[in-house]
Amino acid sequence: LAKTTQPISMDSYEGQEVNITCSHNNIATNDYITWYQQFPSQGPRFIIQGYKTKVTNEVASLFIPADRKSSTLSLPRVSLSDTAVYYCLFLSPGSARQLTFGSGTQLTVLP
Amino acid sequence: NAGVMQNPRHLVRRRGQEARLRCSPMKGHSHVYWYRQLPEEGLKFMVYLQKENIIDESGMPKERFSAEFPKEGPSILRIQQVVRGDSAAYFCASKGQGTYEQYFGPGTRLTVT
Repeated sequence: LAKTTQPISMDSYEGQEVNITCSHNNIATNDYITWYQQFPSQGPRFIIQGYKTKVTNEVASLFIPADRKSSTLSLPRVSLSDTAVYYCLFLSPGSARQLTFGSGTQLTVLP
Repeated sequence: NAGVMQNPRHLVRRRGQEARLRCSPMKGHSHVYWYRQLPEEGLKFMVYLQKENIIDESGMPKERFSAEFPKEGPSILRIQQVVRGDSAAYFCASKGQGTYEQYFGPGTRLTVT
């Protein structure tokens, strides 16, 4: 089973751009890279998903190099409310497979 | 469209008692997943159900734990004879047929005293 590696924690200041990188050496051909966000005492929430190159939505951007062995979640101009744990996962469209969560990255945004 | 609902949000049980956790999926969703999260850890898959069927229970402890998703009503995760090690946050997620995104509920925090 493919495994992801992320930094355990990161600190940032309000207004800065934050980049969280995830390594996934043996990602399957059909897998999409997916990021979830979890606030304390809440369930995880889907942020963004991509297969390769770059994806952008109203919340974040996702950069995936051609070899797909890593991905970078980019959060522009973070605020205090972005303090959360961020998980990098795999998903196969149409698959009913369960999600496999690693330890995630605890992002702390400081004033 | 209401999101995934779980109740109770907090549950306290003494050792040896039974815990029943309920999950109502989003409207129209027929796939339900249960996950457990221990303090300072990521979520761990427990069981995947569709209406009236257990599809994958490979993450569920062999004893004391059971799950169901009846034709009518919420999905239930049942833990018999709870022990202190069962204290955790239990999340359910639901998914629609043919889609991939799982939507999570707010979780039930079980404390065993």
